[in-house]
Amino acid sequence: GQQLNQSPQSMFIQEGEDVSMNCTSSSIFNTWLWYKQDPGEGPVLLIALYKAGELTSNGRLTAQFGITRKDSFLNISASIPSDVGIYFCAGYPTGTASKLTFGTGTRLQVTL
Amino acid sequence: DVKVTQSSRYLVKRTGEKVFLECVQDMDHENMFWYRQDPGLGLRLIYFSYDVKMKEKGDIPEGYSVSREKKERFSLILESASTNQTSMYLCASFPLAIQNTDTQYFGPGTRLTVL
Repeated sequence: GQQLNQSPQSMFIQEGEDVSMNCTSSSIFNTWLWYKQDPGEGPVLLIALYKAGELTSNGRLTAQFGITRKDSFLNISASIPSDVGIYFCAGYPTGTASKLTFGTGTRLQVTL
Repeated sequence: DVKVTQSSRYLVKRTGEKVFLECVQDMDHENMFWYRQDPGLGLRLIYFSYDVKMKEKGDIPEGYSVSREKKERFSLILESASTNQTSMYLCASFPLAIQNTDTQYFGPGTRLTVL
C-alpha cells in the first residue's frame, strides 16, 4: 500500500531553533494533515490543509500544501522542549475519500 | 471530554489466542479506522469502515478482521494472534470533512504484546 515519504526521519535541535520537515508522495493528494504524537498517546491533529498552495498557521506551527499537490511542509518556529514527539503527515489520495494514508514520521528531540 | 476510547491501554496475549480490540467514538463520525504503529514504519492502515456494517481492507489486513455493528463502535479482531502482531494499535474516527483541529480523532492506543 502507498505510504508517504517523510523527512527527516529524526532530528535533534536546540531550544529556540526553527524546524522544517516535509512529506512527499508519488500521487496527488486532496487533503494534507499534520499530526503530533507524544509518547504513549495517540496522534493529535495540528493542522489541516485543503487547497494547493494553502499556507496555514497554528501558533508557532506553519504548514503548506504544495502546489503540485504531491507534497507538504511543516515548520516549527522557536522550538521549546514540549515540541518533542513524533510528527506525522497524512492525507487523502485523489479518488480515495476515506483511506487516510500516513507518513513514516519525524522524531523531534529538543536539547536545552 | 474524551471522544475516542479504546478498551485497553495494554494487553498481553498468547500465540493462537483470539483477541478483540474495541473502539468507541461519541462524535457520530461516519469513518472509523484501525492502524498499527511500529518503529520506523509509521501508521499502517489495517481496515477502515465508512458506515455501519461496511468495511474496507487497508494496506495490511492479513491476519485481522473487523466488525461494525453500530456507528459508534469499530472492533478489530485477531483470529489467532501471532508474535508478529505485537504492536501499538490505534483507532481513529473522522467525519466526512475534517474541519476542526480542536477535535481529538485518535484513541490513546492499545499496546498489544503476543507471547
